[in-house]
Amino acid sequence: DAGVIQSPRHEVTEMGQEVTLRCKPISGHNSLFWYRQTMMRGLELLIYFNNNVPIDDSGMPEDRFSAKMPNASFSTLKIQPSEPRDSAVYFCASSTSGGNWETQYFGPGTRLLVL
Amino acid sequence: RKEVEQDPGPFNVPEGATVAFNCTYSNSASQSFFWYRQDCRKEPKLLMSVYSSGNEDGRFTAQLNRASQYISLLIRDSKLSDSATYLCVVSLSGGYNKLIFGAGTRLAVHP
Repeated sequence: DAGVIQSPRHEVTEMGQEVTLRCKPISGHNSLFWYRQTMMRGLELLIYFNNNVPIDDSGMPEDRFSAKMPNASFSTLKIQPSEPRDSAVYFCASSTSGGNWETQYFGPGTRLLVL
Repeated sequence: RKEVEQDPGPFNVPEGATVAFNCTYSNSASQSFFWYRQDCRKEPKLLMSVYSSGNEDGRFTAQLNRASQYISLLIRDSKLSDSATYLCVVSLSGGYNKLIFGAGTRLAVHP
């Protein structure tokens, strides 16, 4: 079975450019999470969707970041305009529901470098 | 103070050794507890959940002490393939399974 799919796997862009990261959750999972991982701050939750609805976006750094989930099989995380400090690995994860003890399955991540 | 604190390591141990990782969490409302494993340049994967009574999965044993807000992971008979970063993770009660990750403890098992 396919796991969580993310694209692109690597992205190099210049400061000021728009960046769009994509995620396809595991089929049947109704909870989707976007995380960011850096050496300085570790792994942080950016936003959580349940049944395609954003439930918690308190981790979104600022207005430059936006996320959408137009349907159960697709989500995007957009950064506009991008800045060098956005360089990180962005992970998407999904689970069957958002309940406690639910295993979250992570995608392979997108490595973003903003020059 | 960080919500979840771990010794960053690295722990360098020979094959066959027993190694223990510790973790403390600051929020007494934490409800669920996990250890995730992350290989170099890979995604985190659930290693095991940590239950109040303690639990074991093969060579891995996890313990939880709610009173001390302390979680541990014991790895017996270390293998080269155990080399990875081990992330201590907690989830707060209520709402949804919002995972709070520790910075991770790096383990390097050598021949």
